[in-house]
Amino acid sequence: GAGVSQTPSNKVTEKGKYVELRCDPISGHTALYWYRQSLGQGPEFLIYFQGTGAADDSGLPNDRFFAVRPEGSVSTLKIQRTERGDSAVYLCASSLLGLAGDNEQFFGPGTRLTVL
Amino acid sequence: ILNVEQSPQSLHVQEGDSTNFTCSFPSSNFYALHWYRWETAKSPEALFVMTLNGDEKKKGRISATLNTKEGYSYLYIKGSQPEDSATYLCAFISADSSYKLIFGSGTRLLVRP
Repeated sequence: GAGVSQTPSNKVTEKGKYVELRCDPISGHTALYWYRQSLGQGPEFLIYFQGTGAADDSGLPNDRFFAVRPEGSVSTLKIQRTERGDSAVYLCASSLLGLAGDNEQFFGPGTRLTVL
Repeated sequence: ILNVEQSPQSLHVQEGDSTNFTCSFPSSNFYALHWYRWETAKSPEALFVMTLNGDEKKKGRISATLNTKEGYSYLYIKGSQPEDSATYLCAFISADSSYKLIFGSGTRLLVRP
């Protein structure tokens, strides 16, 4: 079956521009997560959705970052007024339920964002 | 701040060598530990989900052990092959927020033919 997909795979933008990154989770997965991996570091948690609602957005770095999941399936991560420090690989994951303990999170291939 | 450390940062081995990496994590409030393998331009792929102290899991030539009391996990690869070349990430889950993966920075393995 289809895994988690993310579009675009690569995005180059200029400082100050607005970008949207899209995630299509595995069908039927109620939980969706966004992570960000900066160079030389492991992925860092950004936000967790259970259904349509953001259950935990404590990882979003500032108010330029926002994410939505209006129908409980596809999610969009939106970044306003991009800065060079936003350059990273943005990973999306989904899981059947929200408890990750023994419940595997399935990852997409990521979107590599470069802000010039 | 919860700290997850992985060592070594990178490793070059010859085909056929066996190797191991370490993941250390907080020993309190443990909920689970995940190991992922991430090849360039692909999705991170789950290798193991470990929840019990003393757990040992195996998948082919790869195995992992877990010590929650002292806060470490080892990943072993027996007889490394070039296709094992990837970044291996561990991720800790705290009982305080059982949905959030807290990743180490990974061990980058390169297996030379």
